[in-house]
Amino acid sequence: AQTIHQWPVAEIKAVGSPLSLGCTIKGKSSPNLYWYWQATGGTLQQLFYSITVGQVESVVQLNLSASRPKDDQFILSTEKLLLSHSGFYLCAWSQTGGARAEQFFGPGTRLTVL
Amino acid sequence: GDQVEQSPSALSLHEGTGSALRCNFTTTMRAVQWFRKNSRGSLINLFYLASGTKENGRLKSAFDSKERYSTLHIRDAQLEDSGTYFCAAEDMGYKLTFGTGTSLLVDP
Repeated sequence: AQTIHQWPVAEIKAVGSPLSLGCTIKGKSSPNLYWYWQATGGTLQQLFYSITVGQVESVVQLNLSASRPKDDQFILSTEKLLLSHSGFYLCAWSQTGGARAEQFFGPGTRLTVL
Repeated sequence: GDQVEQSPSALSLHEGTGSALRCNFTTTMRAVQWFRKNSRGSLINLFYLASGTKENGRLKSAFDSKERYSTLHIRDAQLEDSGTYFCAAEDMGYKLTFGTGTSLLVDP
């Protein structure tokens, strides 16, 4: 069975500090991977997707970047956090082989920027 | 951009009754997913539809790509059905656009 892990579970960071959030998928080869973000009281928005190692496409510009260093790993990062980056970050995966595929979500990381 | 309009934003049901949630799409979508939010804030998959209808227990979902809508029907609502439900529509690429959610409260 596939499992998806996100780390950390929660983070409190200062404005202007760097950030790195991680996501790993186990039990699935070459999945499509996605990052989502939800501001408090806001709608869940897709930020990035990746269909293969080394390739990441941006969907929404939020002064964040994403990378896929390994087949099973997706990283979300920024060198300088903004207050507006606070919220709930979700990683998701779907089966490879095309865009039409059900997405499955990780447990999420709650980020508070002060 | 693509928009997903979800209604109602809040719904109150008595135990044993039923109702429907609806999502309208501003453009043609390839598929729709329905989720329920868990206690941590993540998402539990309920349905994935590229067309037609699916049923699982007391839940039933329909998706009409041509008419640009999807519905989630809940029948015989139970207290444990209370929570927040989301639809999300998949465009022709890799983008999933979420609705704003429906907060369901089932009372005795």
